This record gives sequence, C-alpha cells and structure tokens, in this order.
Amino acid sequence: AQSVTQLGSHVSVSEGALVLLRCNYSSSVPPYLFWYVQYPNQGLQLLLKYTSAATLVKGINGFEAEFKKSETSFHLTKPSAHMSDAAEYFCAVVKGFGNTGKLIFGQGTTLQVKP
Amino acid sequence: EAGVTQFPSHSVIEKGQTVTLRCDPISGHDNLYWYRRVMGKEIKFLLHFVKESKQDESGMPNNRFLAERTGGTYSTLKVQPAELEDSGVYFCASSQAHNSPLHFGNGTRLTVT
Repeated sequence: AQSVTQLGSHVSVSEGALVLLRCNYSSSVPPYLFWYVQYPNQGLQLLLKYTSAATLVKGINGFEAEFKKSETSFHLTKPSAHMSDAAEYFCAVVKGFGNTGKLIFGQGTTLQVKP
Repeated sequence: EAGVTQFPSHSVIEKGQTVTLRCDPISGHDNLYWYRRVMGKEIKFLLHFVKESKQDESGMPNNRFLAERTGGTYSTLKVQPAELEDSGVYFCASSQAHNSPLHFGNGTRLTVT
C-alpha cells in the first residue's frame, strides 16, 4: 500500500529565502509522485511530477523536487521565495500500480512568506 | 480552453437534507474523478469515471453518496441524506487519458449543520 507524509503542516520563510517542503512516501511498487499547489479559493494546480525518469524534476514557478529512493523522499524546493508562493502544497502518490489519476495525498503544508 | 467547473461553490444544508454537486470537466476529457477533503484531514479519492462508466468507486464513504455521469459529460454527486461528517470540500478533476495530468476544479465547500 502507498502513503505519503508531509512533515510540517505550516512552514514560514522570509521573502528571498530557500523554500523546503518535505515529503516522504511509502510504496511497494515504483512510485509516481506529484506536488500540487492550492492558492486561496482555487483548485489544485500541478507543480511537478516524477514518473521514473530523471530523479531531479523541475516544475513551474521555479520549484523543483528530487526523488531519493534511499531516503523514500520527494522534497520540494525553491531557491528564493516570493510573496506569491504563499499557498498550500500537497504531495501525492499514485495509488496502485502505474500512472493514473487515483492519488493518495499528504496532509498538506501551508507556506507563509514573510516580507 | 475552459477549465473544470464545479457548482455550487458553497452549499450550506441541514442534516437530513439532500444536496447535489455538479462537475463539468474539460471538454474531451474522458476521465473524471471526485475527491473530498474533510476539515483537518487529507484529500481523499472518492471515485473515477471513464466516460459514463464507473471505473473505481472504492473511495465512496457509504451508500448515501451517489455519483452519476450520464452521457459521459458532466457528473453529479448526490448526498442523501446528508450527515454532519459529510462537511468538507469536494473536488472534481478531469484528465484526457488515464495517465494524463489531472485538472482540478475550485471545489464545492459543503457545510452540513
């Protein structure tokens, strides 16, 4: 069975600082992993996805994530935070085998960016 | 291209009443998913349509929930009768193929009092 755990329900950084949002996964099959972002009053938007190709995945808005099998991690990073990055971020893994839209989400991490 | 549209954006009903949520997927997207986020919990999968057929409804909480997708276009999710624990945000998502990225709607916030 698959699962994801996001460490930290709230993360606060200063504008210009490094953003690091942590996600650890558990999967008995090669995982397909995603990061989604939800801005206030909007739906979830795909930031990036790992589908067993390159372990360093680049996404939109300057975000990237690195798949580390040895650590079962898929942490999301951005070198320099912008005020517009304030949102809730979700890590997700495909449930079952293969790449489908049936996802298991983490609990979410709210990112606050301070001026 | 219009995105995934959900109606209503908010709904407040009393326990025991019936509510119907609607989702209009992106045109041409055969795959349609319903998810739910109960307050304080993670987003959970409810079910998956391929065109008008239910591919997987393993996440539906109980038989008070009924999802339909007549004609393979829009979908409805009916809760009857609603209970307090049904409160949360219901998301719909669609994709062109089973392995294509999901496009989410803005969600319907359901409050049962």
